[in-house]
Amino acid sequence: SQTIHQWPATLVQPVGSPLSLECTVEGTSNPNLYWYRQAAGRGLQLLFYSVGIGQISSEVPQNLSASRPQDRQFILSSKKLLLSDSGFYLCAWSVGESGELFFGEGSRLTVL
Amino acid sequence: GQNIDQPTEMTATEGAIVQINCTYQTSGFNGLFWYQQHAGEAPTFLSYNVLDGLEEKGRFSSFLSRSKGYSYLLLKELQMKDSASYLCAVMDSNYQLIWGAGTKLIIKP
Repeated sequence: SQTIHQWPATLVQPVGSPLSLECTVEGTSNPNLYWYRQAAGRGLQLLFYSVGIGQISSEVPQNLSASRPQDRQFILSSKKLLLSDSGFYLCAWSVGESGELFFGEGSRLTVL
Repeated sequence: GQNIDQPTEMTATEGAIVQINCTYQTSGFNGLFWYQQHAGEAPTFLSYNVLDGLEEKGRFSSFLSRSKGYSYLLLKELQMKDSASYLCAVMDSNYQLIWGAGTKLIIKP
C-alpha cells in the first residue's frame, strides 16, 4: 500500500533562518507531488508541484523553493524565513490526472 | 478569476442532518472533491463528483449541478467525531485543484 511521510511535524524557527521540510512517498511510482501551505482559517494554497524528477512548477512568488532529487522525494526549502512563512505545510501525492490527493501528516512552522 | 465559495462555519446537533454548500466559478471543470480535515491534521478524501447527481457513501452524500456551479455535502446521523472542517475543491481545465477556504462544522450534543 502507498504511504506518505513528511517531517519534521513541528518546528519553531527565527526570522532569517533556513528551512528544510522533507516528504517521501512509498508504494507508488512516478507520483505527482505537491507542497501546500494552509494559513490559519484559510484554504489550501498550492506552492509547488512536480510531475517528475527535476520538474518543479511554482504557483506563487515567494522566498521558498522546492526540489525533487528522487522520484518519491520532495523537499521544501528556504534560505531566509519570513514571519509570513508561518503556517501548516502539507505534502501530497496523486497519480496521473486524478484529483484525489493523499496528504502527509503536515508540518507546523512557526517563525518568530 | 477562479473562485470557490462555502460558508465559514456551521453548527449542528448530534444525530441531526447538515448540508454544506459549495459554489464555484472556474476555468473549466474536471470534477469536484470534498475533503474532511480535523483540527491540526491533514485533509482526507471524502467524495468525488464529475457528473450531475447525488453520490452516496454511507452517512455522507455529495451532490453536483454543473449548470449551476453548485455542490453540497450532506452528512446524516451526525456524530461528535464529524466535527471538522470540510473543504470543497474543483479541478479546472488544467487538472489543477482550486480549493475553497473550508467550512468548520461544530457538532453540539
